[in-house]
Amino acid sequence: GIQVEQSPPDLILQEGANSTLRCNFSDSVNNLQWFHQNPWGQLINLFYIPSGTKQNGRLSATTVATERYSLLYISSSQTTDSGVYFCAVEGGAGGTSYGKLTFGQGTILTVHP
Amino acid sequence: SAVISQKPSRDICQRGTSLTIQCQVDSQVTMMFWYRQQPGQSLTLIATANQGSEATYESGFVIDKFPISRPNLTFSTLTVSNMSPEDSSIYLCSVEGTGGPSSYNEQFFGPGTRLTVL
Repeated sequence: GIQVEQSPPDLILQEGANSTLRCNFSDSVNNLQWFHQNPWGQLINLFYIPSGTKQNGRLSATTVATERYSLLYISSSQTTDSGVYFCAVEGGAGGTSYGKLTFGQGTILTVHP
Repeated sequence: SAVISQKPSRDICQRGTSLTIQCQVDSQVTMMFWYRQQPGQSLTLIATANQGSEATYESGFVIDKFPISRPNLTFSTLTVSNMSPEDSSIYLCSVEGTGGPSSYNEQFFGPGTRLTVL
């Protein structure tokens, strides 16, 4: 099956700093999403981005599908940005992978005041 | 988007018992998915629940351990049977949102059920 690798595994920032999280995947994808998991375990949808660039406030994401990677940018980080960031993909194998997300191992972000 | 609720939100259970987790969606969806997140780990797909047919299980997961029901297009249950401490995890259901221009749509997750087995 498709492999998803995220880097870095851990990231510690001071409030106000910028950061870039990376997601590499091993095959073509039909869907790529970024999630933020809050301390209560809930997954918050950040971006649905199988290709191209999107921005939402201080967050933006870019997926270069032909090169099999996606980047999540966090600018002017805040303590509330702390948590785990997951990249998840739906592989391009058609019927057998339809709707099934494969998650990376996540990046644990800690933002200090 | 889709609004998803799960019950219970958390539970503490004794080994050897079973727990049924409910997932309710605010709109009709074709497929619902169940994931497990073990402590400190990422999410792993358990099975796909289709209305009117047997659930499809991923490698490493079996129906006897994780029976699933899908009685209609807005509801599903996952049972964790004969529990052991290794089953302590967060269990989440997800659905695809509807209305997008593509056949592949954004997925949304329920708030999760945090299970602790003693």
